Amino acid sequence: GAGVSQSPSNKVTEKGKDVELRCDPISGHTALYWYRQSLGQGLEFLIYFQGNSAPDKSGLPSDRFSAERTGGSVSTLTIQRTQQEDSAVYLCASSSGTSGLNEQFFGPGTRLTVL
Amino acid sequence: AQTVTQSQPEMSVQEAETVTLSCTYDTSESDYYLFWYKQPPSRQMILVIRQEAYKQQNATENRFSVNFQKAAKSFSLKISDSQLGDAAMYFCAYTGAGNMLTFGGGTRLMVKP
Repeated sequence: GAGVSQSPSNKVTEKGKDVELRCDPISGHTALYWYRQSLGQGLEFLIYFQGNSAPDKSGLPSDRFSAERTGGSVSTLTIQRTQQEDSAVYLCASSSGTSGLNEQFFGPGTRLTVL
Repeated sequence: AQTVTQSQPEMSVQEAETVTLSCTYDTSESDYYLFWYKQPPSRQMILVIRQEAYKQQNATENRFSVNFQKAAKSFSLKISDSQLGDAAMYFCAYTGAGNMLTFGGGTRLMVKP
């Protein structure tokens, strides 16, 4: 079956612009996670959604970052007024549950470059 | 807060040889899971192996095995009969009650033919 997909694969934007990154999880997966991978900070958790529960936003670095998940499926991560330090690879993962027994399947990521 | 530390930024191994990647973690939780993920240049993270903290037996998956030392909070990955396709970044990761993964800084593994 299809894995997790993310679009775009690469995104170049100018400082101050808003960007939207999209994640299509594996069909039927109730949990969806966003992570960021950067040279300076390594791999860090941003936000996760589980079913209809309120998302855990504890990893979002600033109020310029937000995410939503429509209909329990597709998710969009929005970064407003992008800064150069936002340059990173943004990874999305989904799983059939939130226990550690439920493997998180990752997408190929979106590489964001802020000029 | 939980932390995961990988002390080896880079490792090198000869093809067909064995290599061990180190990982230590810190947590006050009693119920948690540990993972090793592989990230090739394609960026796609792939789960290599998983260990449940409540299990004393070390996990194995074909050529991959772990040495889980719970008291020492150590979780190393052994790759036997290394292959060229094993070359990648390897990340140690932890998850507990919070559900999200906490990653170490990664180890770049190079395999020499």
